[in-house]
Amino acid sequence: DTGVSQDPRHKITKRGQNVTFRCDPISEHNRLYWYRQTLGQGPEFLTYFQNEAQLEKSRLLSDRFSAERPKGSFSTLEIQRTEQGDSAMYLCASSFFADTQYFGPGTRLTVL
Amino acid sequence: AQKVTQAQTEISVVEKEDVTLDCVYETRDTTYYLFWYKQPPSGELVFLIRRNSFDEQNEISGRYSWNFQKSTSSFNFTITASQVVDSAVYFCALINTGTASKLTFGTGTRLQVTL
Repeated sequence: DTGVSQDPRHKITKRGQNVTFRCDPISEHNRLYWYRQTLGQGPEFLTYFQNEAQLEKSRLLSDRFSAERPKGSFSTLEIQRTEQGDSAMYLCASSFFADTQYFGPGTRLTVL
Repeated sequence: AQKVTQAQTEISVVEKEDVTLDCVYETRDTTYYLFWYKQPPSGELVFLIRRNSFDEQNEISGRYSWNFQKSTSSFNFTITASQVVDSAVYFCALINTGTASKLTFGTGTRLQVTL
């Protein structure tokens, strides 16, 4: 079984630039989740999809953030006009309905 | 609101020692799941165990064991005969079984196992 994959693994950008991350879930999983993890903290929920529908968004997901899952398979997370406070690890997870969430390796974002 | 507390920020042990990682949770939900995940230096969260709130039986898997006590809202994790490869950050997490959408994580416990 192929696990959850994320691309890129690392991204360095300058403040004000836009960045986009991709997540490919485990193939038979219909739910996909995005979390953010800052240094020394546990992951914090951002949003999740069931198939192509975005069912829940955290208040952490400001209007500069947008996530899509157009065909119910892979998902993208875009951050517009990045700020230094956006520097974090962005984790993607997938599950089959309410079963256990399995995580990908994460994308580490550094905003200079 | 849900909350998971891992009071131990960092633990250092010598190889072959036993170590227990504490987890205390708060939830108003009557049904929920508890989890432990391991995060090695590579960064990927590795699933270790899921426990239903109705099932208070302790579980053992090799060198790992888990003690779930609903009366004290605790879900502790013990590693027996620790090894250097156990060095990682361990997270306890909670999810309600209603929407079963977002995991609520603790702040993690960093375990350092030395020779």
